[in-house]
Amino acid sequence: DAKTTQPNSMESNEEEPVHLPCNHSTISGTDYIHWYRQLPSQGPEYVIHGLTSNVNNRMASLAIAEDRKSSTLILHRATLRDAAVYYCILRDVGSGTYKYIFGTGTRLKVLA
Amino acid sequence: NAGVTQTPKFRILKIGQSMTLQCAQDMNHNYMYWYRQDPGMGLKLIYYSVGAGITDKGEVPNGYNVSRSTTEDFPLRLELAAPSQTSVYFCASSLPENIQYFGAGTRLSVL
Repeated sequence: DAKTTQPNSMESNEEEPVHLPCNHSTISGTDYIHWYRQLPSQGPEYVIHGLTSNVNNRMASLAIAEDRKSSTLILHRATLRDAAVYYCILRDVGSGTYKYIFGTGTRLKVLA
Repeated sequence: NAGVTQTPKFRILKIGQSMTLQCAQDMNHNYMYWYRQDPGMGLKLIYYSVGAGITDKGEVPNGYNVSRSTTEDFPLRLELAAPSQTSVYFCASSLPENIQYFGAGTRLSVL
């Protein structure tokens, strides 16, 4: 199973952009890159996902490197409510089961 | 729309006791999953199901059992609870090739 590597923690000032990196050098051609976040004492919630092209939604943007070996989640204006653990996940489709392999994620601290 | 509902929210077990963690979803999702999350760690997949009557092991299935008799429900059974099973348990559901929706979790302590 392909794995991801993320920094353990990052800090950002409120209302500034945040770039959360993720390395996935062993990604296969059919693996989608998913990002979830986990607020304190809650279950993970979906943020964004993509395959090859950059993606935007109301929560964030996802920038995917041309070789797909890394990606970056971009929060355009961090708020205190964005403080969470962010997980970069590759969806395992090899067996058709769509399983997620979670790493330890990046804990984002947002400073007021 | 309730989404994914887990019960109970908290539970304390004695070593050797058994219990069932309940998970129900009302989104008509085929796929359901059970994860555990130890302190400071990411989620690890225990079992998953791709439909009623079909279940399979994930990364850490030892000490657990599951069944899937309906689309809506996916209970997780702990037999002979051990301190190593102290964790937060999350249930999730999805459509095939789609994002997963998670419940709020069950915090379990085995003493």
